[in-house]
Amino acid sequence: DTAVSQTPKYLVTQMGNDKSIKCEQNLGHDTMYWYKQDSKKFLKIMFSYNNKELIINETVPNRFSPKSPDKAHLNLHINSLELGDSAVYFCASSPRDGFTDTQYFGPGTRLTVL
Amino acid sequence: AQSVAQPEDQVNVAEGNPLTVKCTYSVSGNPYLFWYVQYPNRGLQFLLKYITGDNLVKGSYGFEAEFNKSQTSFHLKKPSALVSDSALYFCAVGRSGSYIPTFGRGTSLIVHP
Repeated sequence: DTAVSQTPKYLVTQMGNDKSIKCEQNLGHDTMYWYKQDSKKFLKIMFSYNNKELIINETVPNRFSPKSPDKAHLNLHINSLELGDSAVYFCASSPRDGFTDTQYFGPGTRLTVL
Repeated sequence: AQSVAQPEDQVNVAEGNPLTVKCTYSVSGNPYLFWYVQYPNRGLQFLLKYITGDNLVKGSYGFEAEFNKSQTSFHLKKPSALVSDSALYFCAVGRSGSYIPTFGRGTSLIVHP
């Protein structure tokens, strides 16, 4: 069974569109994350969601909004897509918190904005 | 605040030779240090971590790392490299109270046959 899954695996869309990426974890973890990996492979955390608390990275534009219907799911919605949003987006989860726990990553969603 | 540096974009090593991938960090308080590996077109996989205790940490696939507080380093090592170790390696640091870990820029390890 896949521990952390993401859909879709590939997403190609036009500038200005709104899109969502879904993430599910079946590990029973409390904390979930979204990361962005750019073309140079730099990995930047975007959000961390621990049960009732959403931790927002201040460098993330407000066009990006995470939505968590329950503890096992953390979706990423992106409004008004821009060329610079093209990247691979990774979802991850950890048992409790981010600073001592191992994180488990999904396979990634490659977003291409034309 | 916390930060991590991986000074080498790429490390080349011959198969069978020892390898080292460098990582230094800066954090207020006690650091929590991690190494992850990313194979092509895959998500990151956990290798090892240092939380407390023994400074030498052993992890998956024969990798180990040594926590050096005085040099603020956490270098990843393996005694004998394999071609299959070729991948992108990320060092990460966290600290108590922060839900947001900081990742290094990644080091591409290339093991030549």
